[in-house]
Amino acid sequence: QVQLQESGPGLVKPSETLSLTCAVSGYSISSGYYWGWIRQPPGKGLEWIGSIYHSGSTYYNPSLKSRVTISVDTSKNQFSLKLSSVTAADTAVYYCAREIVGATHLFDYWGQGTLVTVSS
Amino acid sequence: SYVLTQPPSVSVAPGKTARITCGGNNIGSKSVHWYQQKPGQAPVLVIYYDSDRPSGIPERFSGSNSGNTATLTISRVEAGDEADYYCQVWDSSSDHPGVVFGGGTKLTVL
Repeated sequence: QVQLQESGPGLVKPSETLSLTCAVSGYSISSGYYWGWIRQPPGKGLEWIGSIYHSGSTYYNPSLKSRVTISVDTSKNQFSLKLSSVTAADTAVYYCAREIVGATHLFDYWGQGTLVTVSS
Repeated sequence: SYVLTQPPSVSVAPGKTARITCGGNNIGSKSVHWYQQKPGQAPVLVIYYDSDRPSGIPERFSGSNSGNTATLTISRVEAGDEADYYCQVWDSSSDHPGVVFGGGTKLTVL
């Protein structure tokens, strides 16, 4: 059974960089699939942030692209998210997920999510 | 960028049929996926490729997609179906392809 677990600071100061890691178990990232990050502000809907392949190939939401970096560490079977210059608008539950990519893209396994609050 | 429009809320009595729509320009030409999210939990995939159900999802959940509207149908609604539902597509039509989610629909079981 594929499992994903997000980890990282729950509180980040404005203008600083948010950093999260997603540890994957039950499946080797090197075996394939894309791996994505999605966020959900409190009481609001889902927003895709970006995704990465095990080779390191990435693609990002254009609205966040200038601030986002997603990387992968196949030796640790995990991938990471960095979001720079955060503001209160970046306060959200951040999810990592496995992404099936073909003619379309969809997410079949999700982590439980981690709340990140941006506040001084 | 591509926009998906969902009604904010849908209400249905137990045992009846709920229909949640997802509107988008020529959405029938895209594959639509649906997620169920209960309070405090991560989303769960309930329908993919318009109408396929992942293992473990009840047959009461079905989907369709044509023209400018995709629909998630939940038959014989149960109290446990109360949740937020999101549609999602892959938009490859713009200069910046990406994943797009609808705004979500809160399903209330009366």
